[in-house]
Amino acid sequence: AQSVSQHNHHVILSEAASLELGCNYSYGGTVNLFWYVQYPGQHLQLLLKYFSGDPLVKGIKGFEAEFIKSKFSFNLRKPSVQWSDTAEYFCAVTPNYGGATNKLIFGTGTLLAVQP
Amino acid sequence: DVKVTQSSRYLVKRTGEKVFLECVQDMDHENMFWYRQDPGLGLRLIYFSYDVKMKEKGDIPEGYSVSREKKERFSLILESASTNQTSMYLCASSLLWGQGYQPQHFGDGTRLSIL
Repeated sequence: AQSVSQHNHHVILSEAASLELGCNYSYGGTVNLFWYVQYPGQHLQLLLKYFSGDPLVKGIKGFEAEFIKSKFSFNLRKPSVQWSDTAEYFCAVTPNYGGATNKLIFGTGTLLAVQP
Repeated sequence: DVKVTQSSRYLVKRTGEKVFLECVQDMDHENMFWYRQDPGLGLRLIYFSYDVKMKEKGDIPEGYSVSREKKERFSLILESASTNQTSMYLCASSLLWGQGYQPQHFGDGTRLSIL
């Protein structure tokens, strides 16, 4: 069965520090990859996505992620975090079956706390 | 802007009760989903529906059922609530993927406690 691993469960950073959150998936075929973010008290929202093309994807709020197919990874990065980035981050994968309802498989999430 | 509304933000029920969680979306989306979110486990798909009266099991359907009588409404039913169903429940909706990538839009969640 497909699965998604996020190795960092809790991350604490100071403002202006650089961020990298790991995400690995297990599926041998073509995949679509996502990072979602859930700010405290808010609903889950899409941060960025990768479908094809340039493996370096830019999202909202200065986030980016790099798809490395050989490593089955899709790590999230931000050069300089802000206090407002405090949130829970979820990596998600959907195998590209070409169907009408591709289910998302989520990782376990990473709680990021940014200290001012 | 897409709006996915879950009827309750917080709900407390007793063991053995039949519990209904309601979700309504206002964007004529074909797909609707129910997830539960638990610390350390992320989001796990319970059921989804791609059309009225159509449903498919997700990864953890045991102890749950769903109903989709109207396109905009997707209900999650706990037939006989148990304490291990205490969790945050998230509803989401999207257009059919056959029209190209369509993001899932999430509601604010219902935090359900079973005593």
